[in-house]
Amino acid sequence: KAGVTQTPRYLIKTRGQQVTLSCSPISGHRSVSWYQQTPGQGLQFLFEYFSETQRNKGNFPGRFSGRQFSNSRSEMNVSTLELGDSALYLCASSPGTRASYEQYFGPGTRLTVT
Amino acid sequence: KNEVEQSPQNLTAQEGEFITINCSYSVGISALHWLQQHPGGGIVSLFMLSSGKKKHGRLIATINIQEKHSSLHITASHPRDSAVYICAVRSHGGSQGNLIFGKGTKLSVKP
Repeated sequence: KAGVTQTPRYLIKTRGQQVTLSCSPISGHRSVSWYQQTPGQGLQFLFEYFSETQRNKGNFPGRFSGRQFSNSRSEMNVSTLELGDSALYLCASSPGTRASYEQYFGPGTRLTVT
Repeated sequence: KNEVEQSPQNLTAQEGEFITINCSYSVGISALHWLQQHPGGGIVSLFMLSSGKKKHGRLIATINIQEKHSSLHITASHPRDSAVYICAVRSHGGSQGNLIFGKGTKLSVKP
């Protein structure tokens, strides 16, 4: 099975712009979670989707949003980019929401905001 | 105070040494994860624990729920084990993806 894929892998944007990142989960996986990793804050949970519904959201401003499509692919959007949004954005997928399921991480999208 | 604390922050070892990385947490949890992150960013899930001990090859993970503490051991360390090791917990009632992460332990194994 192919692993979790994220596109694009690298992205450079200017302050004030918006950006959309994409995550394709492992085939058959219906749960997708997103995380932000910065040198200062480390890894932080952004949101989690299952069957096109957002199940949970981390403590991030409303500029951060996401969605999941019927094929389980997910996108996250950041509007009005700030310098502090420069980070590695990771997504992870799992078969479902059962506590025993492992999460499988993608390679990440490295976003640089100038 | 962070809800998940790891020690040490940095660790340098000689090839072949036995390594221990510790993780303490302050919240009630339903699961604890040990993750490995290599330069370049990709993360691999090593273990998911809710009790006891798990072993995979040279890696062993243990958890003591009463003491809110987990350890990751690497036996016969090798330079390819050089990576950042991250502890993450899912709190009671939290959804599966809603993890709280430690700051990570950067391990360097010298040949």
